[in-house]
Amino acid sequence: NAGVMQNPRHLVRRRGQEARLRCSPMKGHSHVYWYRQLPEEGLKFMVYLQKENIIDESGMPKERFSAEFPKEGPSILRIQQVVRGDSAAYFCASSPPRTGSRSGNTIYFGEGSWLTVV
Amino acid sequence: QQQVKQSPQSLIVQKGGISIINCAYENTAFDYFPWYQQFPGKGPALLIAIRPDVSEKKEGRFTISFNKSAKQFSLHIMDSQPGDSATYFCAASRAGTASKLTFGTGTRLQVTL
Repeated sequence: NAGVMQNPRHLVRRRGQEARLRCSPMKGHSHVYWYRQLPEEGLKFMVYLQKENIIDESGMPKERFSAEFPKEGPSILRIQQVVRGDSAAYFCASSPPRTGSRSGNTIYFGEGSWLTVV
Repeated sequence: QQQVKQSPQSLIVQKGGISIINCAYENTAFDYFPWYQQFPGKGPALLIAIRPDVSEKKEGRFTISFNKSAKQFSLHIMDSQPGDSATYFCAASRAGTASKLTFGTGTRLQVTL
């Protein structure tokens, strides 16, 4: 049973270029989350998606960042016109469909995509 | 606004000792408190989690203690081993927000021989 798959694992972009990070959730999981981890910091929530829907994007920067989770294929986190401050590890996580009203389905993280902007 | 405060930032423990990491939260709506372990270059992996209806949960050498009135919870690693050397993150999420987690800033644990 494959885990959450992220690619690329490492990505180097020049300032002004676009970065696309892909995430395939665990089999049977329909919820995808993106988190960002800046050097020496904890993870910060960015966005929560289900198939073809953005459920919560309260952690996404207002500009240059977008995310999608199409009906077919992986979830994509897209960063346009990257700047040095975008250099970070971007983690995708997934969880199965939530049952009941309580929070806290276990979410499983991928190994991350490390973006370096030069 | 940091909603989950974690301490210490780093911790050195001798092999066989007890590692203790503390977290405090502000939002009383939080109802799920997991701990994650992260090795360098890897993603966080769920270690153990607790809900506020219990005050303690133990899994092997790992124990979470939860104090609802103080809004604090802690991770205890008994008989710490060099293989436990990693960064540990506490987190919290609130009802109705699926698994949107608010993380602490992490504790880098080093277990020495």
